[in-house]
Amino acid sequence: SQKIEQNSEALNIQEGKTATLTCNYTNYSPAYLQWYRQDPGRGPVFLLLIRENEKEKRKERLKVTFDTTLKQSLFHITASQPADSATYLCVRVNAGNNRKLIWGLGTSLAVNP
Amino acid sequence: ETGVTQTPRHLVMGMTNKKSLKCEQHLGHNAMYWYKQSAKKPLELMFVYNFKEQTENNSVPSRFSPECPNSSHLFLHLHTLQPEDSALYLCASSQDPPGGHGANVLTFGAGSRLTVL
Repeated sequence: SQKIEQNSEALNIQEGKTATLTCNYTNYSPAYLQWYRQDPGRGPVFLLLIRENEKEKRKERLKVTFDTTLKQSLFHITASQPADSATYLCVRVNAGNNRKLIWGLGTSLAVNP
Repeated sequence: ETGVTQTPRHLVMGMTNKKSLKCEQHLGHNAMYWYKQSAKKPLELMFVYNFKEQTENNSVPSRFSPECPNSSHLFLHLHTLQPEDSALYLCASSQDPPGGHGANVLTFGAGSRLTVL
């Protein structure tokens, strides 16, 4: 079956450092991987997506990679700030008519001042 | 207002009550979704509507009844719920309908926190 696995342990880092979150998928490569941010008691907010044929995508302080050999996506936040503290969700989107979104559990990030 | 708006934000109900959750999107999207989010579980897709036609029902119990009168509004009618139905219910919309091309990026509302006593 297709799964998305994210590190269930919370990540604590110091302000200014780079946060790196991991997303592993099983089975065949999805057409896309998406990353969302979710704050407590709120809905997820879309951040970035990366296509299967892309190795890396950047947006401001965010960077996402897609490694089809390792079946893994890494999500980086550079120069992290306390305001970046949230849960980050990885989602796989398959190609074709069955473009279901399969969600990971998310990884909680805490950036300490 | 912009984005996706959900009301109420919080709801407490008894098992014999009937209540409804409302969702409205102001983005011109043509697909709308209901998700359930419980602690320690990934988001669970409940229903999908595409151009106000239901295209997916993920084996959701009949005590949850969706209604989509038009592409901008979505309701979730609740009746005789169980305590295990307590969760955050999220509404979302997307521009590219399921089955089409594109990455199916979702815009979520803030959610309705439901507590069933």
